[in-house]
Amino acid sequence: NAGVTQTPKFQVLKTGQSMTLQCAQDMNHEYMSWYRQDPGMGLRLIHYSVGAGITDQGEVPNGYNVSRSTTEDFPLRLLSAAPSQTSVYFCASSLQGSNQPQHFGDGTRLSIL
Amino acid sequence: AQSVAQPEDQVNVAEGNPLTVKCTYSVSGNPYLFWYVQYPNRGLQFLLKYITGDNLVKGSYGFEAEFNKSQTSFHLKKPSALVSDSALYFCAVRPPPGSSGTYKYIFGTGTRLKVLA
Repeated sequence: NAGVTQTPKFQVLKTGQSMTLQCAQDMNHEYMSWYRQDPGMGLRLIHYSVGAGITDQGEVPNGYNVSRSTTEDFPLRLLSAAPSQTSVYFCASSLQGSNQPQHFGDGTRLSIL
Repeated sequence: AQSVAQPEDQVNVAEGNPLTVKCTYSVSGNPYLFWYVQYPNRGLQFLLKYITGDNLVKGSYGFEAEFNKSQTSFHLKKPSALVSDSALYFCAVRPPPGSSGTYKYIFGTGTRLKVLA
């Protein structure tokens, strides 16, 4: 099992560019989520999904889109990058039950110039 | 608003001494409580959870946590710290099933643990 795989590991963008952060898991987990980690702010939930075809907004969804066409993949799209989106992004997955812990990828470090 | 507080940005402890990392929460009902650890340039790793039952839960790497409902706290503890325990620790809360935010984890801001040799 590879667990949760995020690509790329690092990315530098210019303001206004768009890009997609990839996330894939091989554990057949129904629940997947995206977080951003900023110094002093912990992890903040961007979007989540409870299964293929079902997504919902988290705490900080503005400027980001997601889709879930398969159980395995949950890409995060930045529509028009802004410097405020400079952050470390983590994808996580878990079994559906709400008492299940999440498994995290190793993150994507994104800089917006 | 629902929230999780980790009041200490950093905790320093000597190797071999007991350690405590504090967490309090403000979430209605009976939420599920978690601790995660993050090493440099890595994702978070699950340590332990409290769902129901005994207030003292044991987890990975010798860590345990004490749930206190009246104080809405879930402090992480270890009887004897190791230098290798130095990392960033996050407390997280998930609102209970049936509540509107049950799929939305709420994380604390993290506490950096430094164990000194």
